[in-house]
Amino acid sequence: AQSVTQPDIHITVSEGASLELRCNYSYGATPYLFWYVQSPGQGLQLLLKYFSGDTLVQGIKGFEAEFKRSQSSFNLRKPSVHWSDAAEYFCAAGLSGSARQLTFGSGTQLTVLP
Amino acid sequence: DTGVSQDPRHKITKRGQNVTFRCDPISEHNRLYWYRQTLGQGPEFLTYFQNEAQLEKSRLLSDRFSAERPKGSFSTLEIQRTEQGDSAMYLCASSSTLAGANYEQYFGPGTRLTVT
Repeated sequence: AQSVTQPDIHITVSEGASLELRCNYSYGATPYLFWYVQSPGQGLQLLLKYFSGDTLVQGIKGFEAEFKRSQSSFNLRKPSVHWSDAAEYFCAAGLSGSARQLTFGSGTQLTVLP
Repeated sequence: DTGVSQDPRHKITKRGQNVTFRCDPISEHNRLYWYRQTLGQGPEFLTYFQNEAQLEKSRLLSDRFSAERPKGSFSTLEIQRTEQGDSAMYLCASSSTLAGANYEQYFGPGTRLTVT
């Protein structure tokens, strides 16, 4: 069965520190991969996506993610976290070619300390 | 581009009542999706439409749930005889499959349902 795993339920970092959020997927073939962010009471906002090609993808708000086929991973990174980055982050995967039915991980809640 | 909108934003209902939610996708998007998100979990796929055709339904979509997209524009999700386990955030998303589209799903703010 297709699945997406985010091993870290909650991460706390200090403002200005670097961040890495982990995501692993289990799919029959390499899926399309996405990272979304959700602030309280808000819908999901797309940060970045990977379809093919360059395995390091850049997104909005200074985020980047690296696709590693050998590890079935798509980890999200940011070199310097801002207080406004505090939110819940979801990794998602969809079938390549259509990305119609997304499978989401259970999310990682990010707390940023001043 | 006004984004995906959902109405209402919040709904409180008593167990056994029927509820209906509405989603208006981004105007040029031909695909529309419904997801359900419970507390502490990621969204779970319920169903999707391409134009007015409902092409996939999850096993999560019991026979108490029905979704429509009659003219290929807005969609409604109805839950009949609500149960406390239906309490969740119901998210709508849309995307485009037209030439040059990127399959990105854009989400609305959601409708939070509380069944008492």
